[in-house]
Amino acid sequence: DTAVSQTPKYLVTQMGNDKSIKCEQNLGHDTMYWYKQDSKKFLKIMFSYNNKELIINETVPNRFSPKSPDKAHLNLHINSLELGDSAVYFCASSASELLSYEQYFGPGTRLTVT
Amino acid sequence: SQELEQSPQSLIVQEGKNLTINCTSSKTLYGLYWYKQKYGEGLIFLMMLQKGGEEKSHEKITAKLDEKKQQSSLHITASQPSHAGIYLCGADRGAQKLVFGQGTRLTINP
Repeated sequence: DTAVSQTPKYLVTQMGNDKSIKCEQNLGHDTMYWYKQDSKKFLKIMFSYNNKELIINETVPNRFSPKSPDKAHLNLHINSLELGDSAVYFCASSASELLSYEQYFGPGTRLTVT
Repeated sequence: SQELEQSPQSLIVQEGKNLTINCTSSKTLYGLYWYKQKYGEGLIFLMMLQKGGEEKSHEKITAKLDEKKQQSSLHITASQPSHAGIYLCGADRGAQKLVFGQGTRLTINP
């Protein structure tokens, strides 16, 4: 059973388009995250949600808008895509009641903007 | 400079050899996570360290958090091809926020 799933796995689109990436977790976790991994493999957190509420919002362009319809889902919508948005986007989840809050990662969505 | 620096950035070792990856933080570490990433896949949790001097092992991988809590090392004994991948250390910066190092790419040659 897939714990954290993302769709699509690959996304190729042109500059200026709007696209969404979906994430779902079946672990019963209450916290979900979006990370961006650039071409140099540097992984940076973008957002986190706890029980559908925004907790972390790093310095991310407001073209990026996360949406959490329920605890099990955290989608990422990107408006007016730019070349620099090309990266691998990872969704993750964790259980906040655990002190170690180990994060479980999805397989990633490779976004290529042309 | 990055908040977490990993060294080396890439490492090529012969199968069966031991190796060490280091993670140095510019701030005190209150929780240090080690993850492994295989190409095209997500991150897999390896272990977490919280206390200075703490050491944990899983199969042939051992991680330590130094006493001053600003550095961690990951040691692999008798490396195997299955150990190949990118190893990332992540630091707990509160509010469930993890900050990651730039990763160490490990290649195991047969």
